[in-house]
Amino acid sequence: GAVVSQHPSRVICKSGTSVKIECRSLDFQATTMFWYRQFPKQSLMLMATSNEGSKATYEQGVEKDKFLINHASLTLSTLTVTSAHPEDSSFYICSALAGGIYTFGSGTRLTVV
Amino acid sequence: GENVEQHPSTLSVQEGDSAVIKCTYSDSASNYFPWYKQELGKGPQLIIDIRSNVGEKKDQRIAVTLNKTAKHFSLHITETQPEDSAVYFCAASTGTASKLTFGTGTRLQVTL
Repeated sequence: GAVVSQHPSRVICKSGTSVKIECRSLDFQATTMFWYRQFPKQSLMLMATSNEGSKATYEQGVEKDKFLINHASLTLSTLTVTSAHPEDSSFYICSALAGGIYTFGSGTRLTVV
Repeated sequence: GENVEQHPSTLSVQEGDSAVIKCTYSDSASNYFPWYKQELGKGPQLIIDIRSNVGEKKDQRIAVTLNKTAKHFSLHITETQPEDSAVYFCAASTGTASKLTFGTGTRLQVTL
């Protein structure tokens, strides 16, 4: 079946630095990718929708200048958390859409210290 | 926008019993309803889905039913096993390129 590879699985960074998370569709092309954030014991909250070759669409309340999304190819989307702060610590998950099926990555645990 | 409610938030069953999780949605235009299983520290994994032109779908021990009139859909797991213990999420979407709206999740615990 479809596989979405997400890296890194865990990252610890210092407050004020930036972190990049990669999401790759390994055996299929995805014109649309989604980025979610999940706090402990909560549901997935959509942050943005990313379409290949165009600007991402951000959900209300999500700062586009803080969470930079690049979807440069049909198999790769990246999320960069800029000037990270402790409140950005969370579990970030990507999802790729192809053939009407949404496939999720394994998630990235970001800890900002 | 779409709103998906999910119940119960926690569910404990004995091994071999059945488990049922229910979701309701608000947008009558929604036509795709997947269910995901999420284990601790991992991303959600699709376990079964149903589209609006179907009322029921079954895959071994797992089944999903959809009532479009009432705008609710349910996940049924029969003969539960300890490895079924996880958090389950329902979701809804209005189209093949639309975003998914998730329910709040159900923590299922299967006890021996």
